[in-house]
Amino acid sequence: NAGVMQNPRHLVRRRGQEARLRCSPMKGHSHVYWYRQLPEEGLKFMVYLQKENIIDESGMPKERFSAEFPKEGPSILRIQQVVRGDSAAYFCASSPLKGFYEQYFGPGTRLTVT
Amino acid sequence: AQKVTQAQTEISVVEKEDVTLDCVYETRDTTYYLFWYKQPPSGELVFLIRRNSFDEQNEISGRYSWNFQKSTSSFNFTITASQVVDSAVYFCALSEAGNAGNMLTFGGGTRLMVKP
Repeated sequence: NAGVMQNPRHLVRRRGQEARLRCSPMKGHSHVYWYRQLPEEGLKFMVYLQKENIIDESGMPKERFSAEFPKEGPSILRIQQVVRGDSAAYFCASSPLKGFYEQYFGPGTRLTVT
Repeated sequence: AQKVTQAQTEISVVEKEDVTLDCVYETRDTTYYLFWYKQPPSGELVFLIRRNSFDEQNEISGRYSWNFQKSTSSFNFTITASQVVDSAVYFCALSEAGNAGNMLTFGGGTRLMVKP
């Protein structure tokens, strides 16, 4: 059973460019979470999605960030007009159902903005 | 609002020593879950344990053990006879029943270095 997959693993963008991060949840998992880990910090929740629905985006920056989880295909975290402060590791996690199930994390995408 | 505090930012031990990582949490919910995750140098996050708020039984898994005490809002993690492969950052996390999405609130992490 393949785990949570994220790609790319490393992404370098210049300031002002767009970054697209992809996450394929574990098979059978319909809930996806995105977290951000800034350098030398813990992980912070960004957004929670189910297929075609954003359930909670209370942790998302108000501007430039968006997320989707379409009916078909991976979940996408999109960052427009990236700035140096966006450099971080972005982790995706999935769980099978709503409720207190452990979230299984992907390997993360390390975004570097130059 | 929920909060998780890991006061020890870094711990260094010599192989075979026992080490305890502290975790203190704050929540207004009576129903919640606590987690520990390991982040080795390779960067991925590895799930270690989940404990619900109604189960205060301590748990042991090999060299790992967890002590959950609601009276002190703590969920501490002990590694017995530490090994170099235990070197990693360890995160404690909390999920509340009141959150629609059950998102995790993480502590700042404790970096454990086990020297040979």
